[in-house]
Parts: sequence; C-alpha cells; structure tokens
Amino acid sequence: AQSVSQHNHHVILSEAASLELGCNYSYGGTVNLFWYVQYPGQHLQLLLKYFSGDPLVKGIKGFEAEFIKSKFSFNLRKPSVQWSDTAEYFCAVGRGGTSYGKLTFGQGTILTVHP
Amino acid sequence: EAGVTQSPTHLIKTRGQQATLRCSPISGHTSVYWYQQALGLGLQFLLWYDEGEERNRGNFPPRFSGRQFPNYSSELNVNALELEDSALYLCASSEGQSGANVLTFGAGSRLTVL
Repeated sequence: AQSVSQHNHHVILSEAASLELGCNYSYGGTVNLFWYVQYPGQHLQLLLKYFSGDPLVKGIKGFEAEFIKSKFSFNLRKPSVQWSDTAEYFCAVGRGGTSYGKLTFGQGTILTVHP
Repeated sequence: EAGVTQSPTHLIKTRGQQATLRCSPISGHTSVYWYQQALGLGLQFLLWYDEGEERNRGNFPPRFSGRQFPNYSSELNVNALELEDSALYLCASSEGQSGANVLTFGAGSRLTVL
C-alpha cells in the first residue's frame, strides 16, 4: 500500500531561520505531489503542487519544494520563516489507476516559530 | 467565491446512533471527497464522489456511506456510531476528473461520540 512519511512531528524554529520539512512516499509510478498547510483555527489550504516539469516548484508565502524522483522525496523549504508560518504542514500524494481521486496524506508536521 | 461549506460544525452523538454530515462544494466543482482526521491518525481518505457516482472508497467499514446529489452537494452518513468515530470530518471538492486532483477543503465537521 502506498504510504507517505513526514520525518518530523514537531519542528521549533526562531524567526529568520531556514526551514526544511521532509516528505517521502512509497509509490514508484507517476505521482502528483502536494503540500497543504493548516494555520491555527483555519482549514487546510494548498501551499504548492507538483504534477510534472521543473522539479523545483514555488508556492505561496515564499515556500518551495523540490521533487527528487530517485529519492521518492518532496521536501518543503523556506529560506527565512516568520512567526506567521506557525502551522501544521501536510505532504500528500495522488496517483492514477485504482487510486485515482484519492490523496494519501502524511501524518503532518507541526511548525512552531518563535518571534 | 464561496468555498467548500460543511454542516454542522459540531455534532455530538451517542454510541449506536447515526450521524449525517453535509457538504456543499465550490461552484463548478463536480467532485466531492470525504476525509477523516482523527487524533493521532492524520487524514484518512473515506470516499470520493463525482457526477453523482461513488468513484473510490477508503478502508472504512460499510457503515460509512454517503451520496452526492444532482447539485453536487454531498452527505456522509455514519451508522452504528462507535467511540473511535470521534474525529474531524473534512470535505473537499475539485473540478472533477481532470487529472489534476487539486482539492479545496472545507473547515470540517467535528463529530463527538459519547
């Protein structure tokens, strides 16, 4: 069965620190990759997505992610975090075939940014 | 543009009862998805409806069921409630079978089973 693994459950940073959140998936075929974010008290929002093409994708609020096919990874990065980035981040993988329409989510990483 | 709307926001039931949750997708979206977000378990895929048909189903027992109406809204029914059904139920919508399953989520319905 397909699985998505996020390496860190809780990351604590100070403002202006750099961020990298790891995400690995187990499926070997063609995949669509997503990062969603859930700010405190708000619903899940799409941060960025990768379908094909340039493996470095840019999203909202200065976030970017790099797809490395050989490593089955889709890590999220931001050069300098802000207090307002405090949220829970979810990596998700979608694919075709019998799993079409189904996104498999990682367990989520809680990011706390101290001012 | 209105987002995905879900009702009720909170629902409290007792074991053995039935719960019905409702979802209205974004205008123009034909696909509706249901996810369960239970404490410590992350988001688990429940059901996908498109054009009124159930297209895919997650690893949940048959007492989890739903339907999609001609206006593309959807409801999720959970029969014979168990304590472990307590969770946040998220509905999402997308533009349908375009191959780009970008989901837009609602705020969720929190179900508490006592």
